[in-house]
Amino acid sequence: LAKTTQPISMDSYEGQEVNITCSHNNIATNDYITWYQQFPSQGPRFIIQGYKTKVTNEVASLFIPADRKSSTLSLPRVSLSDTAVYYCLVGVYNFNKFYFGSGTKLNVKP
Amino acid sequence: DAMVIQNPRYQVTQFGKPVTLSCSQTLNHNVMYWYQQKSSQAPKLLFHYYDKDFNNEADTPDNFQSRRPNTSFCFLDIRSPGLGDAAMYLCATSPQTSGRKTDTQYFGPGTRLTVL
Repeated sequence: LAKTTQPISMDSYEGQEVNITCSHNNIATNDYITWYQQFPSQGPRFIIQGYKTKVTNEVASLFIPADRKSSTLSLPRVSLSDTAVYYCLVGVYNFNKFYFGSGTKLNVKP
Repeated sequence: DAMVIQNPRYQVTQFGKPVTLSCSQTLNHNVMYWYQQKSSQAPKLLFHYYDKDFNNEADTPDNFQSRRPNTSFCFLDIRSPGLGDAAMYLCATSPQTSGRKTDTQYFGPGTRLTVL
């Protein structure tokens, strides 16, 4: 059963835009896609959530194609403090469960 | 500020000695979750409560138990900790009023458990 997959790590420089994609082939029809940020030795923190198309808030944008089998978290103009692990979380169709993605470790360099 | 609190932040126990981790919330959310997170891995759901209804994940070992005496508090009991149970344990809450499985979750800071 394919759950969610994300790149293991990404490198970026301060001021750049970063896009992190999560694949979720078996997403539940009525469930949202949620992204979390986690710093070392802290609990995950909510970033953004969406169902389809595009959602934007003060820290990020979330792009979801029509088939909803993937989603892309976009972080505009990253800074060193954005160095963290980013997880997507989706509900899985027909299993009444949800799963965190494996997480993407973002390393922002000066 | 409304929040999720976990105590203690660091817990050391001996192999086989029962240990209890606690979580409290001031958000008045009806759902509470317990996760286990090992180094460089995603959080793994152990179980959750929807109000008083307990939902155990199929692959959660019997060694892990939980209690929720009221809306605000939830406890994780590890009856006989093994070396493989050393991890960060995260508590989270969710309002989950819509019936969706992915309502926003609010996490506590976690308790790091060391087993000697």
